[in-house]
Amino acid sequence: DAGITQSPRHKVTETGTPVTLRCHQTENHRYMYWYRQDPGHGLRLIHYSYGVKDTDKGEVSDGYSVSRSKTEDFLLTLESATSSQTSVYFCAISELKYEQYFGPGTRLTVT
Amino acid sequence: EDKVVQSPLSLVVHEGDTVTLNCSYEVTNFRSLLWYKQEKKAPTFLFMLTSSGIEKKSGRLSSILDKKELFSILNITATQTGDSAIYLCAVERVGWGQGNLIFGKGTKLSVKP
Repeated sequence: DAGITQSPRHKVTETGTPVTLRCHQTENHRYMYWYRQDPGHGLRLIHYSYGVKDTDKGEVSDGYSVSRSKTEDFLLTLESATSSQTSVYFCAISELKYEQYFGPGTRLTVT
Repeated sequence: EDKVVQSPLSLVVHEGDTVTLNCSYEVTNFRSLLWYKQEKKAPTFLFMLTSSGIEKKSGRLSSILDKKELFSILNITATQTGDSAIYLCAVERVGWGQGNLIFGKGTKLSVKP
């Protein structure tokens, strides 16, 4: 497996609380991504990063923010969690023109 | 709007059968098409296809891309129960302003003993 870890792996939180998910890589890949996976929708890109402090929005970015202060870490923050953000979140890494490798996922439940 | 459509959505076969999974796409600025296998965890990479007509093979799995007709197929021969998974197709677009991969919804393959 590519050196990608996600934390926490499982989290239950209440509506309205802030939540931060962490993705950590040891591969020194330039590009990092956050996806969510929901039944009937497949994997959808939330945000991505193409370098330290360089990020951009994906397809479903509303309600999410990201930060990348170091090459190895990419944080996803839900400013005020809602039930619609209950999902499985995957981090991925890649180098340009090469395939993306996925982390183990974080299952988030917002009650 | 760019989209990737996989068919069938689910499939049940018996061990030893051969299966063909389909992926069609309508995407601007196509760069490549990727196949992933997802069991009860993270998707794992299978193939990346960039050129039409060139088959990629890995053991019992093979895949080919048709850039004229805008589709790809993933073949699995002599299926085994360990092939049971969701198979994801994704298309990579050129240009960071558009993001990167668009995924289809996947084909759930169940292989019965």
